[in-house]
Amino acid sequence: DIQMTQSPSSLSASVGDRVTITCRASQGISNFLAWYQQKPGNPPKLLIHATSTLQLGVPSRFSGSGSETDFTLTITSLQPEDVATYYCQKYSSGPTAFGQGTKVEIK
Amino acid sequence: EVQLVQSGAEVKKPGESLKISCKGSGYSFTTYWIGWVRQMPGKGLEWMGIIYPGDSDTRYSPSFQGQVTISADKSINTAYLHWSSLKASDTATYYCARHEDTATGGDYWGQGTLVTVSS
Repeated sequence: DIQMTQSPSSLSASVGDRVTITCRASQGISNFLAWYQQKPGNPPKLLIHATSTLQLGVPSRFSGSGSETDFTLTITSLQPEDVATYYCQKYSSGPTAFGQGTKVEIK
Repeated sequence: EVQLVQSGAEVKKPGESLKISCKGSGYSFTTYWIGWVRQMPGKGLEWMGIIYPGDSDTRYSPSFQGQVTISADKSINTAYLHWSSLKASDTATYYCARHEDTATGGDYWGQGTLVTVSS
């Protein structure tokens, strides 16, 4: 089965900073990748699907890129409300799999 | 408005059976997939499986195959997750999510059901 590895596992950045989270697939998955944001006590929220397509209502400071095995979620200007854990998810052929998550905090 | 409403928290003993539910509204329940995700306390997300209520086509993660049963009753727009014999390690929050197909992310999620298994 394809494994998804996220890095870093946690990060601390200042308001306004550019934040980058990476997700690596153990095999190529084309562009079948989604990113979710989860705040404590809440279900995950879909931010991006098909690697780079922003869900309706998601702020434009969020963006996604990549293909096959290497993917990136970028927050161009970190805001206090972005404090959360972020997960990548692959949904190509075979079982869906999540990355282990990246916890984002404000410095 | 699309909504997925899950059944309430459960406290069970090891060896007991349990079925939790996820009721969809505000969309055509039979034309979207419903997936289930486990989140153990303080841990990440684990994909369990997915069902198409229109024809009950069901796919399981290898990690959960044989451990749970996913089903759906399209007459009442409800999907289910069933355990025949719970273990303490099943203690977790379980989420359902709507998927346009198996090659898309979950765009709407239920609020989660906390299952606690303890003797």
